[in-house]
Amino acid sequence: AQKVTQAQTEISVVEKEDVTLDCVYETRDTTYYLFWYKQPPSGELVFLIRRNSFDEQNEISGRYSWNFQKSTSSFNFTITASQVVDSAVYFCALSDTSGYSTLTFGKGTMLLVSP
Amino acid sequence: DGGITQSPKYLFRKEGQNVTLSCEQNLNHDAMYWYRQDPGQGLRLIYYSQIVNDFQKGDIAEGYSVSREKKESFPLTVTSAQKNPTAFYLCASRWRSSHNEQFFGPGTRLTVL
Repeated sequence: AQKVTQAQTEISVVEKEDVTLDCVYETRDTTYYLFWYKQPPSGELVFLIRRNSFDEQNEISGRYSWNFQKSTSSFNFTITASQVVDSAVYFCALSDTSGYSTLTFGKGTMLLVSP
Repeated sequence: DGGITQSPKYLFRKEGQNVTLSCEQNLNHDAMYWYRQDPGQGLRLIYYSQIVNDFQKGDIAEGYSVSREKKESFPLTVTSAQKNPTAFYLCASRWRSSHNEQFFGPGTRLTVL
């Protein structure tokens, strides 16, 4: 069975601080995909990134960066110079390799950025 | 505009009544999914469908039913057999051809009184 653990339930930072959201996963598959989604107060999930298990390169997109470490089964997400608009719940998810590609989600981390 | 629509945004029902949540997409996606979200919880998979007239149970299918008569539509019925139906329901879709990300609708918040 697949499992995703986001141990941080809630994180509070002040604007301009850097913050890292942790994600640890479990799977028996050798090929799999990892995702991060953002859920603002409006409720709709917004896709941020997809990473396949063969690509361990870190990725940077503006103020966002992701660190994928297969050795520790982690896929952490860092926001640099956080802004109030980053306040949201962030979910890490793991996809199976069947044709259905269902997602297993972590419980999410609520990020609160105060001015 | 292409996207996924869910209506209504808020829905109230009396206990014991069945209710159907709508999900429509015009992205030409093959696969569609229904998730349930409870406060402080992640999303849990209810049902999913790869193609028209085919669907599979997810992790928490008891008390729910779906249909997939058209590619664009994947309605979810919450039956009276669902013990605790009050929750936020999210519909998603994706192209079937690869492990692409799922795109989500705005969700429906169902409250059973």
